[in-house]
Amino acid sequence: AQTVTQSQPEMSVQEAETVTLSCTYDTSESDYYLFWYKQPPSRQMILVIRQEAYKQQNATENRFSVNFQKAAKSFSLKISDSQLGDAAMYFCAYEGAQKLVFGQGTRLTINP
Amino acid sequence: NAGVTQTPKFQVLKTGQSMTLQCAQDMNHNSMYWYRQDPGMGLRLIYYSASEGTTDKGEVPNGYNVSRLNKREFSLRLESAAPSQTSVYFCASTRMGSSGNTIYFGEGSWLTVV
Repeated sequence: AQTVTQSQPEMSVQEAETVTLSCTYDTSESDYYLFWYKQPPSRQMILVIRQEAYKQQNATENRFSVNFQKAAKSFSLKISDSQLGDAAMYFCAYEGAQKLVFGQGTRLTINP
Repeated sequence: NAGVTQTPKFQVLKTGQSMTLQCAQDMNHNSMYWYRQDPGMGLRLIYYSASEGTTDKGEVPNGYNVSRLNKREFSLRLESAAPSQTSVYFCASTRMGSSGNTIYFGEGSWLTVV
């Protein structure tokens, strides 16, 4: 069964600095998708970034980028120039052939 | 969250009552999911449906039943609600596109069992 692990329950960073959130996953599939979602207090799920497993190039979206290491089954999220609006819960997610699985989440605090 | 509609948004139940959470998507997606999210926790998969007519158990299926009525609708039923089922419930659907998968979420259903 596929599993997703986020080993950092909480992280904090100074505004304008860079922070990296960790995610590892376990799967026997070769074709899959990985996602990072942001969840503010409203509980809305907001897509941050997406990575296709068959692509070697790391995905980037403005200040957000990932470090995708397929062999190590690692998928970390880097947030550059952190802003107060980045404060939220962040979830790593894996989608394989049929199932979509989430990690436990990391609560990110931005210190002004 | 456009495209995935969940009802009701808020519900209070008494222990032992039954209810059904409705989810509908108008994007012709094959896969649909039900998750629960307890305070400070991640999303745990209750049931999923990879296609119309099929359903499978997820991580925490006990106490729930589902029905994939058609390609558009995927309902979650609590036959005899328990306080441990107090949670926020999310429905999601996914599509496979030429640019990769996209996940769409409903806005969540806040359920309290007293």
